[in-house]
Amino acid sequence: AQSVTQLGSHVSVSEGALVLLRCNYSSSVPPYLFWYVQYPNQGLQLLLKYTSAATLVKGINGFEAEFKKSETSFHLTKPSAHMSDAAEYFCAVSVGNRKLIWGLGTSLAVNP
Amino acid sequence: DAGVTQSPTHLIKTRGQQVTLRCSPKSGHDTVSWYQQALGQGPQFIFQYYEEEERQRGNFPDRFSGHQFPNYSSELNVNALLLGDSALYLCASSSVANSYEQYFGPGTRLTVT
Repeated sequence: AQSVTQLGSHVSVSEGALVLLRCNYSSSVPPYLFWYVQYPNQGLQLLLKYTSAATLVKGINGFEAEFKKSETSFHLTKPSAHMSDAAEYFCAVSVGNRKLIWGLGTSLAVNP
Repeated sequence: DAGVTQSPTHLIKTRGQQVTLRCSPKSGHDTVSWYQQALGQGPQFIFQYYEEEERQRGNFPDRFSGHQFPNYSSELNVNALLLGDSALYLCASSSVANSYEQYFGPGTRLTVT
């Protein structure tokens, strides 16, 4: 069965610092993987997706993620954090091309 | 190009009542999925509709039901509301060819008192 584990429910970085949000997955078949961002009292916005093409995926707002099959990881990074990046981030894996299985989320705080 | 829309934005109901939430998918999408997101949690899959039929269902009781209309819009109905049903209900749309790539609406915040 597919599952997603996000390491660290809360991450705090300084403005301008590297952002690293960790996601590990479990899947019996080649997965499709996603990162979504959720701002307070809003829905989920797709940041980027991996669908078995390039292993380094670039998304919106300067974020990128690298699919590492050997480590079953899909960590999200951004070289320089901005105050507007403060939000909840969710990693998800697709199951049977239909529903998404979600991690519990990581809350990112950006300090001035 | 309109994205996914949901109504209402907020809703307050009392225990035992029934509620209907509505969703209009993104233009060009024919598949609608519903998720429940409790406070501080990730979304939980409720069900997915395609061609006006429930295509897949998560681990939710029969009190949760849905419908999809010929124009692809969808409703989520919850009967006999419990306090634990208080959550953000998210609708996501996709095309059947790429139903893993889901676009979300802003959600409906349901509070059960």
